[in-house]
Amino acid sequence: LAKTTQPISMDSYEGQEVNITCSHNNIATNDYITWYQQFPSQGPRFIIQGYKTKVTNEVASLFIPADRKSSTLSLPRVSLSDTAVYYCLVGDSGGYNKLIFGAGTRLAVHP
Amino acid sequence: DTEVTQTPKHLVMGMTNKKSLKCEQHMGHRAMYWYKQKAKKPPELMFVYSYEKLSINESVPSRFSPECPNSSLLNLHLHALQPEDSALYLCASRSGTGGNTGELFFGEGSRLTVL
Repeated sequence: LAKTTQPISMDSYEGQEVNITCSHNNIATNDYITWYQQFPSQGPRFIIQGYKTKVTNEVASLFIPADRKSSTLSLPRVSLSDTAVYYCLVGDSGGYNKLIFGAGTRLAVHP
Repeated sequence: DTEVTQTPKHLVMGMTNKKSLKCEQHMGHRAMYWYKQKAKKPPELMFVYSYEKLSINESVPSRFSPECPNSSLLNLHLHALQPEDSALYLCASRSGTGGNTGELFFGEGSRLTVL
């Protein structure tokens, strides 16, 4: 069973870079790593997805080492509006399409 | 159109009522999901439909009955629920054409309260 482990919470200040690391020791060969952001009472929203090395888009970067047993979401220059819960997902090798959320990381950005 | 639309946004029901939650997407996605989310907890997978067939049931009690009438619609029929079933019910879709790649598109959820 592919399982992810993340820090429960993190604090940061506006303008800082935030790195959230996710551990996924049992990731399967075919699994991709996907990160989502969720605000209260809303559905999660896709941030970024990768398979290996580094992926960058307009809002974040994702770093994945060669062994793929962990990944790091990097949010450059956070603002108050980045206060949210961040989830890392990998596929569950027990079933195609089986996408299980881990506990997530609650990020609080302070002025 | 990259939206997943869920109705109703809020639902209050008694334990003897029968109600349904609805979800619609027009992105041509062939995988559709129901998740349940309690306060301050992660979304919990309930059901997955792949190409309009139920492919995953995470041992959900039979008082929750999913239905996929066509590739754009997903329903969750509710009957004889318990107060502990009160939660945010999230629908999501995904293209589902390449293993576990591709993002999940979520609706805003239906907030269910069981009295």
